[in-house]
Amino acid sequence: DVKVTQSSRYLVKRTGEKVFLECVQDMDHENMFWYRQDPGLGLRLIYFSYDVKMKEKGDIPEGYSVSREKKERFSLILESASTNQTSMYLCASSLPQPYGYTFGSGTRLTVV
Amino acid sequence: EDQVTQSPEALRLQEGESSSLNCSYTVSGLRGLFWYRQDPGKGPEFLFTLYSAGEEKEKERLKATLTKKESFLHITAPKPEDSATYLCAVRPNAGNNRKLIWGLGTSLAVNP
Repeated sequence: DVKVTQSSRYLVKRTGEKVFLECVQDMDHENMFWYRQDPGLGLRLIYFSYDVKMKEKGDIPEGYSVSREKKERFSLILESASTNQTSMYLCASSLPQPYGYTFGSGTRLTVV
Repeated sequence: EDQVTQSPEALRLQEGESSSLNCSYTVSGLRGLFWYRQDPGKGPEFLFTLYSAGEEKEKERLKATLTKKESFLHITAPKPEDSATYLCAVRPNAGNNRKLIWGLGTSLAVNP
């Protein structure tokens, strides 16, 4: 069964901490994405990557960075966590267009 | 501006009461339209991809249709386990079409 695996389901971090969210896919997909999902705002794209070591900013990249050293792994980094980054974070992967995405189960991050 | 609008925001049905969810889109050429189901606290799960007007896809009690301006997700004789949020997304033909444009979803509740 093909999968996108996110390292944590729930995470609680303190303001100012550096936070790493990890995502691994086993489908040999070129494209990987990080979204956050908030009530009333829907899915918002933070960053995506279409190849190893390649990255592009999404719609809301401020306060985040990413790393893709291997094809199967895409990491989201919160450089200095803030309370407004409390959210559900979703990782997804896909083959090149026109295919859809496969999502992970999500990480519910709470910053206190 | 590319945009996806889903209606209604929320829908409550009795078990067995068929209905339809709407996804209207405005994009500069359609590369694909995607339907996803999302259960609370989980990542979206892929349902269908539609590529051209007139196309239809079916899966159990769900049937997705596509015109040049909108897509419908028809739910026939729904059961309580069909309760979820249904998300629609489109991939434009032009621009950076690695990214999907998402609607805010329709929250469906099916009462026994």
